[in-house]
Amino acid sequence: EVQLVESGGGLVQPGGSLRLSCAASGFTFSDHYMDWVRQAPGKGLEWVGRSRHKLKSYTTEYAASVRGRFTISRDDSNNSLYLQMSSLKTVDTAVYYCTRLNTGGYYYFMDVWGKGTTVTVSS
Amino acid sequence: DIQMTQSPSSLSASVGDRVTITCRASQSISSYLNWYQQKPGKAPKLLIFAASILQSGVPSRFSGSGSGTDFTLTVTSLQPEDFATYYCQQTYSVVWTFGQGTKVEI
Repeated sequence: EVQLVESGGGLVQPGGSLRLSCAASGFTFSDHYMDWVRQAPGKGLEWVGRSRHKLKSYTTEYAASVRGRFTISRDDSNNSLYLQMSSLKTVDTAVYYCTRLNTGGYYYFMDVWGKGTTVTVSS
Repeated sequence: DIQMTQSPSSLSASVGDRVTITCRASQSISSYLNWYQQKPGKAPKLLIFAASILQSGVPSRFSGSGSGTDFTLTVTSLQPEDFATYYCQQTYSVVWTFGQGTKVEI
């Protein structure tokens, strides 16, 4: 079964750091771009960033709202994606989803989603 | 960043109704447009990609159309399990963006 499982969420103070993990199974992780998407309480979806695969030199992209504070990395040997978050702000409070990108055709889309992990930034 | 605007933000409908949701991009995005469905407490689910291609396993009552800046998601004969929030997403630029969502309620 294709699956993504996020972990690492919790309560952190403003200015603090947190590292989220996403464990992938049921597919060849190393073949895929992977994204993080978040959703603040009662709000819509916000794309956070992307990790491309080895063929694209593991390059990353970020939304302007997190660029310079968040870092995405991956470990293909452990089928894992990470989101290192630093200088956290209260507005970063959200459910964070790990998603798999389907890039096999001309059009890209998120075809597999994890259940999410909750990050709360509060003093 | 490309802005995506959905309308309406919410709508009330009944089982069996035909529902149409509109998504407008702030610039032309060709057909680089996806639609997702999200139910409360659950992760989003892909419905349509490339503006009009139905994801495998998605019921045929869902359809998408449009290109350039204007897109629509249509649900013919709304079913009880279709009451949810729907999001459009552009994948034209490097930075992907979502619409603000449309909540379909009874």
